[in-house]
Amino acid sequence: DADVTQTPRNRITKTGKRIMLECSQTKGHDRMYWYRQDPGLGLRLIYYSFDVKDINKGEISDGYSVSRQAQAKFSLSLESAIPNQTALYFCATSDLGLAGVPHEQFFGPGTRLTVL
Amino acid sequence: QKEVEQDPGPLSVPEGAIVSLNCTYSNSAFQYFMWYRQYSRKGPELLMYTYSSGNKEDGRFTAQVDKSSKYISLFIRDSQPSDSATYLCAMAFSNFGNEKLTFGTGTRLTIIP
Repeated sequence: DADVTQTPRNRITKTGKRIMLECSQTKGHDRMYWYRQDPGLGLRLIYYSFDVKDINKGEISDGYSVSRQAQAKFSLSLESAIPNQTALYFCATSDLGLAGVPHEQFFGPGTRLTVL
Repeated sequence: QKEVEQDPGPLSVPEGAIVSLNCTYSNSAFQYFMWYRQYSRKGPELLMYTYSSGNKEDGRFTAQVDKSSKYISLFIRDSQPSDSATYLCAMAFSNFGNEKLTFGTGTRLTIIP
C-alpha cells in the first residue's frame, strides 16, 4: 500500500466551482506539504503544516486554503477555481529530523486538476 | 531571477553514456542539496542528498556541490533506459522551522536503447 495517497487522481471542474483535494499518509510524519507543478515552473509550495495546530503559507497560497484534520490528513481547497489553477498537485510528508536539518520529503502520486 | 535555475531539456542520450545534470542558484545561504527523480505520472522521490560542498557517490550516481560557484551537478554513469525520468534539484536552508525546499524546474532525460 502507498504511504502517501491523494484523491482524486484526476479532476475536471469548471470555473467558479469549489474543489477539495485530499491527502492521507501512513508514515506517521508530522510535516505535510502541498505543491503544484507546472511546466517550466517546477514545484512550488502552496501551504505546509509542521503539526496539526500549525499551518503556514507557501510562496503561492493565494486562491487556496488548507485544513489539517489529523496528523495523517491534509486537505487543499480551491474556493472558486480558475483556469490558471490547472496543474498537477502533489502532497508530501516529512519527518522532523534534527532541528534545522531538512528531511527527505515523500510525495504522493499527484492529482491532475483541470479547470475549464 | 529565480533562486534556482535548471535547464529543462529535454536531454536525450544513448544507453551507456555518462549524463550530467546541473543547477545553479543565487542564494549563498543554501546548505542542503538534493536531487529528486520523477517518473512519468508519479511523484518525485529522493535520489541523492548532500550537505555543503563536496561529492557523494551512490552506485552509478554522483552528486557534486560547488558552493563557491553556486553550482550543483548530478552525474549518471552507464546510463540505462530505466533512468529516463525528470530530475529535479532542490535546496534548503539550515534554519529550524524554515527547512522548506526550493526546487528547480526539472530536466527531462531520455536514455535511448
